[in-house]
Formats: sequence, C-alpha cells, structure tokens
Amino acid sequence: DAKTTQPPSMDCAEGRAANLPCNHSTISGNEYVYWYRQIHSQGPQYIIHGLKNNETNEMASLIITEDRKSSTLILPHATLRDTAVYYCIVRAPQGGSEKLVFGKGTKLTVNP
Amino acid sequence: EPEVTQTPSHQVTQMGQEVILRCVPISNHLYFYWYRQILGQKVEFLVSFYNNEISEKSEIFDDQFSVERPDGSNFTLKIRSTKLEDSAMYFCASKGDSFNQPQHFGDGTRLSIL
Repeated sequence: DAKTTQPPSMDCAEGRAANLPCNHSTISGNEYVYWYRQIHSQGPQYIIHGLKNNETNEMASLIITEDRKSSTLILPHATLRDTAVYYCIVRAPQGGSEKLVFGKGTKLTVNP
Repeated sequence: EPEVTQTPSHQVTQMGQEVILRCVPISNHLYFYWYRQILGQKVEFLVSFYNNEISEKSEIFDDQFSVERPDGSNFTLKIRSTKLEDSAMYFCASKGDSFNQPQHFGDGTRLSIL
C-alpha cells in the first residue's frame, strides 16, 4: 500500500473550516484514499473515502487532486469536538492487503 | 447507526494468564479485524478474518494469539499467556462485503498486564 505524508499538527479556530492535507505521491490506480480520526484513545472513526472524484458526506468533504497524488480533508465548520488525530490511509480494496496501515496522522486542535 | 461493540472496556490480568477480548461486529458484516495500540504509539494491524478463517496476520500475531467467531455474532481475540508488553488498547473492526467499504472500529478494550 502507498505511503502517506501528513503534517504532524494543525490548529484551527472554532467555526472555521479545517483543511487537512495528505500527500500520497506513489498511489496506484486502484487505491482508495480513506480518512479516519481518533479522539483521545477512542477507536478510529471512519470519516470519508474516495478514489478520484471529490466526495462529501455529513461529516466532511474530500478533495482529491486530478493526478491523485494528494488530497485534502475539509471539515467545513470545525467544533471543539473535532479535536483529534486525523489519519489519511491509502489501500487497494481488491487484490491487496485488507489491513489499514496507520501513520502518525495530523493532530488537529480546534481552539475556541 | 449500527456500531461495533467491545467488552470489557478495561481488563486487568496477571502476567502469564489467558485473556479473551470480545467484540460484536456490525450485523451483516463479513470481514473482521483486530488492531492494537500501545500507549503513545501507532495503531497496528494484528489479524483479519473472513469466512471463518484468518486471511492475513501480522508478525505481532504469533502463536500466543488466536481468533474465533464462536457463534456467528461474537468475534474474540485470545491471548494464551500474557506478557507485560501485551498491555495496549485492542480495537476490533468490521467491514461489509462490498470491496471498497470502510472498516468500522469499536471503542476498544484497554488491556493492562501486571
């Protein structure tokens, strides 16, 4: 599975959009981008995933560049409860490993 | 919204004792996983389970570990003879049968080995 690179930490003001970047320059054509977050020591929480089109759900939006070498997770109106470690993971759903490989992620702190 | 549930939330065990961690995956999910996270470290994959057999395991998942789906609803992780270094959060996850569906995690069991 392709490696990802994320900034170790980011800050965001409450109510503002949080834009979390992820580089995955070695991504393969069949690999999806998945985003999870971990609040304190709770289990990782699934946020969103995509292949090449931009995606939106009730939690966030995922913007994937045309060359698929990077993506951005957008939390449109961050709240204090969005303070967490955010993980960007790429994997091929078929023909590859089932496991998710977690890096160190980005520690997002939402400030009042 | 359906969720993965894990019991107990905290397990304290003497070194050398056997421990069983329990998980109830999301109903109608077919793929099951265990991960662990040692305090302050990354989440690490242990094992994946599908169609009543292990489909993949990591180097961590040695002979001391086993998994089972005993009754069609529970999914268990057994550690036969616990070591101090087994102290960690253990997370269960499950996934539906569509190939790109995400894994959904439980809130974990904190295992403390004394």
